[in-house]
Amino acid sequence: NAGVTQTPKFQVLKTGQSMTLQCAQDMNHEYMSWYRQDPGMGLRLIHYSVGAGITDQGEVPNGYNVSRSTTEDFPLRLLSAAPSQTSVYFCASSPGGAYEKLFFGSGTQLSVL
Amino acid sequence: GESVGLHLPTLSVQEGDNSIINCAYSNSASDYFIWYKQESGKGPQFIIDIRSNMDKRQGQRVTVLLNKTVKHLSLQIAATQPGDSAVYFCAENTGGFKTIFGAGTRLFVKA
Repeated sequence: NAGVTQTPKFQVLKTGQSMTLQCAQDMNHEYMSWYRQDPGMGLRLIHYSVGAGITDQGEVPNGYNVSRSTTEDFPLRLLSAAPSQTSVYFCASSPGGAYEKLFFGSGTQLSVL
Repeated sequence: GESVGLHLPTLSVQEGDNSIINCAYSNSASDYFIWYKQESGKGPQFIIDIRSNMDKRQGQRVTVLLNKTVKHLSLQIAATQPGDSAVYFCAENTGGFKTIFGAGTRLFVKA
């Protein structure tokens, strides 16, 4: 079982470039989410989805777009990268109930120059 | 304990001792609490959870205590091992769909 798979593992962008961070899960989980983790800090919720076709904003949604066309995939798009978006990004999923633990991917380290 | 900032609080313990990691949560409406462990270069991994209708829950070598009166959560690790060295996060779940994380505590185990 692969669990939650994130690609790429590392990425360097120039300011203003766009890119998509990929996230896929093979556990048939309804709930998926994206977090960013900055040095010495906890994880902050960017966007989440409770099922295909449904997304909502988290704590820090500005500068990021998401969509959920399938249960398996939840890509995160940066339309115009900024240095403030330099961070480690984690995708997580859960079966979807109110009291469910999150399963995390191994992260994408993004640097914006 | 946990605090917001650039430098993680660090707890250093001797191998074999018990560890206690503390967390203050912010939302009195939170009804589900989770502890995660994050090793270097990896994503967080679930350790143990507790619902607000309980004040204690035990797992294998770990115990979580919840004090709703003062909005405090703690993680106790018995007989701490070098493999327990990691960053530990508490997280609170509000409304079912948003899991909010604390800043984390770094546990360092001395052999």
